[in-house]
Amino acid sequence: NAGVTQTPKFRILKIGQSMTLQCTQDMNHNYMYWYRQDPGMGLKLIYYSVGAGITDKGEVPNGYNVSRSTTEDFPLRLELAAPSQTSVYFCASMTQETQYFGPGTRLLVL
Amino acid sequence: GENVEQHPSTLSVQEGDSAVIKCTYSDSASNYFPWYKQELGKRPQLIIDIRSNVGEKKDQRIAVTLNKTAKHFSLHITETQPEDSAVYFCAASDDYKLSFGAGTTVTVRA
Repeated sequence: NAGVTQTPKFRILKIGQSMTLQCTQDMNHNYMYWYRQDPGMGLKLIYYSVGAGITDKGEVPNGYNVSRSTTEDFPLRLELAAPSQTSVYFCASMTQETQYFGPGTRLLVL
Repeated sequence: GENVEQHPSTLSVQEGDSAVIKCTYSDSASNYFPWYKQELGKRPQLIIDIRSNVGEKKDQRIAVTLNKTAKHFSLHITETQPEDSAVYFCAASDDYKLSFGAGTTVTVRA
């Protein structure tokens, strides 16, 4: 199993640009999550999904959108990138309360 | 929602000494308390967890204690080694969403 994979690893965006962060898991987990981690801070929940077709907002959803058309994929969309969205983004999937994290995407918005 | 506070934010210990990190949570419904270790530039990885029906759990040099009445839980690392240097995060969950503490940077001095 590859576990949780994320692409890209690193991206520089200009203010106002849009992009999609990809997340895929091959463990057949129903629960998936998107977090952001700012320097020296903990993880903040952006969006989560309890299964295909079901998504819900987390603690910091503004400026982001998600979709969950399949069990495996949970992409995160930034429509109008802002400097405040500079962060490291982690995707995770969960089974039996244990969350498994992807390697992260480092995003820089200039 | 759940609020998790973590102390201290930084901790420096001599190799071979013990390290203790403490967390408090606000939601009495929380029943699952994992601890994650994050090395520089890497993803968070689960190192130990405890559920609300257990007061203490140990795995080799690491142990976690939980006091549900006081709503706090702690991570204990004994006989610290250089490879224990990392950022440690506590978290609390009442179902399927984790709320993270801000993290503790542990440095083990040789």
